[in-house]
Amino acid sequence: EAQVTQNPRYLITVTGKKLTVTCSQNMNHEYMSWYRQDPGLGLRQIYYSMNVEVTDKGDVPEGYKVSRKEKRNFPLILESPSPNQTSLYFCASRETNTEAFFGQGTRLTVV
Amino acid sequence: QKEVEQNSGPLSVPEGAIASLNCTYSDRGSQSFFWYRQYSGKSPELIMSIYSNGDKEDGRFTAQLNKASQYVSLLIRDSQPSDSATYLCAVTPGTYKYIFGTGTRLKVLA
Repeated sequence: EAQVTQNPRYLITVTGKKLTVTCSQNMNHEYMSWYRQDPGLGLRQIYYSMNVEVTDKGDVPEGYKVSRKEKRNFPLILESPSPNQTSLYFCASRETNTEAFFGQGTRLTVV
Repeated sequence: QKEVEQNSGPLSVPEGAIASLNCTYSDRGSQSFFWYRQYSGKSPELIMSIYSNGDKEDGRFTAQLNKASQYVSLLIRDSQPSDSATYLCAVTPGTYKYIFGTGTRLKVLA
């Protein structure tokens, strides 16, 4: 089954404690992205990757890091989380100009 | 000007009516256009994709694209309460960019 898998689904953490949200896709897609979704602001792109070892900033990259060492995996790293990073996060993968497939979402709370 | 604009709603329609959702975009070079449906707390799921001017129909859904006016719409015929969700318009202004609007919340009243 074609899918994008994110983990964890829910996470509560404290300010400053490094965390990683994993994302894996089994469709051999070239493009992967991370979005955050906040009420009234829609889906905003954090980082995206065009292929292995190729990443670039989206619209809201501050406070986040990513890596793409393998084609299927695209983890999101928060080195020092802050309360303003409390949000619903989605990973997505796709090919050029086609449908984006989304993971199940990660609801992150930073206290 | 936002790259992709949608009215946030809520748009309320009675059951069985036609719901009309609209989206405008700023980049004339945009090539691909998508409509996603998102239930609260869930992932977006694709409803329709459209790549050329005109209408594209799939069941109760019709997507309309007018590149000259930089406008894409989604019509939902015979609206059902299960159609109540947020509808996201997405546009690809370049090979790597995939921009979402903020979404329109649709409420179908039984």
